Amino acid sequence: KNEVEQSPQNLTAQEGEFITINCSYSVGISALHWLQQHPGGGIVSLFMLSSGKKKHGRLIATINIQEKHSSLHITASHPRDSAVYICAVNPFSSGSARQLTFGSGTQLTVLP
Amino acid sequence: KAGVTQTPRYLIKTRGQQVTLSCSPISGHRSVSWYQQTPGQGLQFLFEYFSETQRNKGNFPGRFSGRQFSNSRSEMNVSTLELGDSALYLCASSLATGDFYGYTFGSGTRLTVV
Repeated sequence: KNEVEQSPQNLTAQEGEFITINCSYSVGISALHWLQQHPGGGIVSLFMLSSGKKKHGRLIATINIQEKHSSLHITASHPRDSAVYICAVNPFSSGSARQLTFGSGTQLTVLP
Repeated sequence: KAGVTQTPRYLIKTRGQQVTLSCSPISGHRSVSWYQQTPGQGLQFLFEYFSETQRNKGNFPGRFSGRQFSNSRSEMNVSTLELGDSALYLCASSLATGDFYGYTFGSGTRLTVV
């Protein structure tokens, strides 16, 4: 079983819809990251969380440490939000906090 | 400010050859991490360098190596290339190693081994 599980794997939404992507992990962590990857490969770091909730524009990320679960929400989705969203964690077991363990990603497609 | 720069962007190599990829971090960032992304395995951690020292290494064979220079630029080398090494190689830089520092990723080097 992967240490980081994301759902759904694929998500298609209409422009304007509210979107939720979920991430569950099975190990103790020091931080959780949400990343966005557009076609062509470049990755953008959206959020780094260790507790609570963060908001940036139309994006909201929450984490529940006790339940080992995080969600990424996108309000008023737009076609330019189409990308792969990746959840990654810094496990306590790694020798360095920099060793990220990644989920398999969620491919989001927002239709106009 | 300039982002993380990876060169080259694309590379085609023949099985058995070796390859060197370069990563220039954001000015002032001292930590550089390398990752491999393949369709089958997704993103996997390769290694991390901080102040010219390898801090951590992922579960990859010894054919994968790296180094960091005094200006924080990093290189990774893959020797005796195999078809399975075809992947997108990403590096990320941050201010320091340790908790609560965000990452900035480069655009990656896409390596194709034929």
